[in-house]
Amino acid sequence: DAGVTQSPTHLIKTRGQQVTLRCSPKSGHDTVSWYQQALGQGPQFIFQYYEEEERQRGNFPDRFSGHQFPNYSSELNVNALLLGDSALYLCASSFIGRNQPQHFGDGTRLSIL
Amino acid sequence: AQKITQTQPGMFVQEKEAVTLDCTYDTSDPSYGLFWYKQPSSGEMIFLIYQGSYDQQNATEGRYSLNFQKARKSANLVISASQLGDSAMYFCAMREGNFGNEKLTFGTGTRLTIIP
Repeated sequence: DAGVTQSPTHLIKTRGQQVTLRCSPKSGHDTVSWYQQALGQGPQFIFQYYEEEERQRGNFPDRFSGHQFPNYSSELNVNALLLGDSALYLCASSFIGRNQPQHFGDGTRLSIL
Repeated sequence: AQKITQTQPGMFVQEKEAVTLDCTYDTSDPSYGLFWYKQPSSGEMIFLIYQGSYDQQNATEGRYSLNFQKARKSANLVISASQLGDSAMYFCAMREGNFGNEKLTFGTGTRLTIIP
């Protein structure tokens, strides 16, 4: 049973560029959330997708956008990259339900030069 | 105001001893959930234990237990008989919202080091 998978594992970009990160949820899961984790800090919630719609959003600018596909997989897009966007980006999936934990992927480490 | 507070940036514990990691939270929502995750140096976030705000009993999962004190708004993680493999970052998180419309807020974490 495959867990949450994210691609790519590592990515290097320069300021001003755009990036797309991908996530496949754990089998049976229908909800996907994205988090940004800067070095030495806890993950910060970016947004959550359910039924192909953004349902909740954290305190991130519009440069951060996403999408969920009919097969529940998801993409995170970041435009006009800034040095401060360098971080580990974590995808988490869950099955809708109040007591369901979110299961995380191994993350994509994004470095901005 | 911080919604999740972890006041112990780092802890050193002797192998086989029990350890308590502190977590306090703040919310006005009567329905919420509290989670603990472990993050080894490799980076993956591993789910450990969950406590719902309406759960009457403290959650337990193997060597992990959650000391939930609702009136004090605390949700401390207790690891019994610590092992070298327990060395990692530990994050407390709170879920707010419901069904497909929720978010997790994480604390700043506690780095636990188990000493042989």
